[in-house]
Amino acid sequence: SAVISQKPSRDICQRGTSLTIQCQVDSQVTMMFWYRQQPGQSLTLIATANQGSEATYESGFVIDKFPISRPNLTFSTLTVSNMSPEDSSIYLCSVGAGKTEAFFGQGTRLTVV
Amino acid sequence: SQQGEEDPQALSIQEGENATMNCSYKTSINNLQWYRQNSGRGLVHLILIRSNEREKHSGRLRVTLDTSKKSSSLLITASRAADTASYFCATLLRDATNKLIFGTGTLLAVQP
Repeated sequence: SAVISQKPSRDICQRGTSLTIQCQVDSQVTMMFWYRQQPGQSLTLIATANQGSEATYESGFVIDKFPISRPNLTFSTLTVSNMSPEDSSIYLCSVGAGKTEAFFGQGTRLTVV
Repeated sequence: SQQGEEDPQALSIQEGENATMNCSYKTSINNLQWYRQNSGRGLVHLILIRSNEREKHSGRLRVTLDTSKKSSSLLITASRAADTASYFCATLLRDATNKLIFGTGTLLAVQP
């Protein structure tokens, strides 16, 4: 199993600013995943973050808007840049999956005003 | 993008009744997993079924998988008010990416 500490748990930000979300895992993992959950919707994968290499982004998501860092095997950050109200969502990090269950952080509820 | 769709989108039942949710997906999978989410917070893993399995049980949960129809169902028996949550299926694609792709979700309300 894995325990993920994600912060902040929520934030209200002004449009045009940036927010960095942090995820700390209690064990070393190769892959970390970042998801976005828009209000009332399901989870959409933003990118896969591997330590020592550039993140791999899904269609519709770009590095300039969602830069990701993965400095070591237990930590990752996702930045939401130049925010607009459309970026208001819950952002979640995840590890695991593969042949066993995935583990999720508690999410960051972002409101852009 | 979503791998699959779930139906119904919303389901309201009385305590003690059974709840059935269905999930359809599009591409070949390694396994299919079901998760629960309470009030938009973190997800809790419920059950995993592999592509070579057809049925699996865990407590009050029963999951079936039909790979020929690319569909799965989750049955919650003898539901309780505490089962009220959103339920998502998620598929692990049959490639090396380890990506978990989520369905659209079912919002279950269990009335006491």
